[in-house]
Amino acid sequence: KAGVTQTPRYLIKTRGQQVTLSCSPISGHRSVSWYQQTPGQGLQFLFEYFSETQRNKGNFPGRFSGRQFSNSRSEMNVSTLELGDSALYLCASSPRTTNTGELFFGEGSRLTVL
Amino acid sequence: AQTVTQSQPEMSVQEAETVTLSCTYDTSESDYYLFWYKQPPSRQMILVIRQEAYKQQNATENRFSVNFQKAAKSFSLKISDSQLGDAAMYFCAYKRAGAGGTSYGKLTFGQGTILTVHP
Repeated sequence: KAGVTQTPRYLIKTRGQQVTLSCSPISGHRSVSWYQQTPGQGLQFLFEYFSETQRNKGNFPGRFSGRQFSNSRSEMNVSTLELGDSALYLCASSPRTTNTGELFFGEGSRLTVL
Repeated sequence: AQTVTQSQPEMSVQEAETVTLSCTYDTSESDYYLFWYKQPPSRQMILVIRQEAYKQQNATENRFSVNFQKAAKSFSLKISDSQLGDAAMYFCAYKRAGAGGTSYGKLTFGQGTILTVHP
């Protein structure tokens, strides 16, 4: 079974631009969560999608948004990029059918904002 | 709000020896999960071990075991017979239990502990 796939793996943007990151969950997993990882703030929860609906949202500005498609694939978008948005963005999936708690993570998308 | 604290930014251990990573958390919930995740330099986070709060017995997975002290809100990870492949960043994480709700996919992480294994 293929794991969580995130694309692109690396990208460089300039301030003011926007970026879209993609995440394909493990087959059969319907919940997708996004996390931002930085050296200073650590791992912070962005949002979770299930059945194409946002179920939970972390404490991030409205420039951070996401969506989920009917095949459970998810995208997150960051508009008007700031230098502080440079981070590793991790996607995680879970089946959500039983709350065992475990999330399965992708390798992440490394965003650098210049 | 729940918080997770890892007070050891870095730890080191000799190959084949034992090391313990510390984690404390704060919550008003009675039912929750605690996890240790490992993030090697390749970056993909993988689950090391999971503990359900309602279980008194400490979880064990091969060389990895936890010391779960619910009253003290402490959750340490012991790695026995350390191997070079254990070198990684280790994260302690908390998650509310219960189906549905608003925190299904939400983990609260500690700041992480970098573990170095010396040959």
